[in-house]
Amino acid sequence: EAGVVQSPRYKIIEKKQPVAFWCNPISGHNTLYWYRQNLGQGPELLIRYENEEAVDDSQLPKDRFSAERLKGVDSTLKIQPAELGDSAVYLCASCPGRSSYEQYFGPGTRLTVT
Amino acid sequence: GENVEQHPSTLSVQEGDSAVIKCTYSDSASNYFPWYKQELGKGPQLIIDIRSNVGEKKDQRIAVTLNKTAKHFSLHITETQPEDSAVYFCAASSNYQLIWGAGTKLIIKP
Repeated sequence: EAGVVQSPRYKIIEKKQPVAFWCNPISGHNTLYWYRQNLGQGPELLIRYENEEAVDDSQLPKDRFSAERLKGVDSTLKIQPAELGDSAVYLCASCPGRSSYEQYFGPGTRLTVT
Repeated sequence: GENVEQHPSTLSVQEGDSAVIKCTYSDSASNYFPWYKQELGKGPQLIIDIRSNVGEKKDQRIAVTLNKTAKHFSLHITETQPEDSAVYFCAASSNYQLIWGAGTKLIIKP
């Protein structure tokens, strides 16, 4: 079974530029999460999807961050414009569904904003 | 809201010895407690988890214990090996949202 796929693995951009990250969850997993992980810290939830519905986006900085999961499968997270403080690893995780708790993570995208 | 504290931040043990990492949580409604292992450049990997209706769970060299009354849970790794070197995170979940500890860097000395 393929795991969670994320791309790109690394991205370097200048501040004020836009950037997008893509995630394909484990097949059949209805729940998808985007996290941000700063160096030396645990992941912080940005948004959680149940199928195509964003059920928890309370911690997503909506002035510059947006996300979509149009068909309830893969998802895109966008930052526009990027700021220096956005440098971090962006992790995607998936979970089988509402009755399950186990989250499985992708390798992450390491973003560097210069 | 939930708060999870994890100790120690760094743990160095001799290869073959045991390692114990401890976490406390604040929300008595939390009912799921996973442990993740994160190696450099990789995403967190679920290694073991426990639900609030169980006090202990074991999987080969790793075990997790949960004390609901005291609101703490611990990860135990026995017979540590070099490949156990990584950062370990605990988390607590209520309402399907994971609240993470700050992580423990485990170093296995040869």
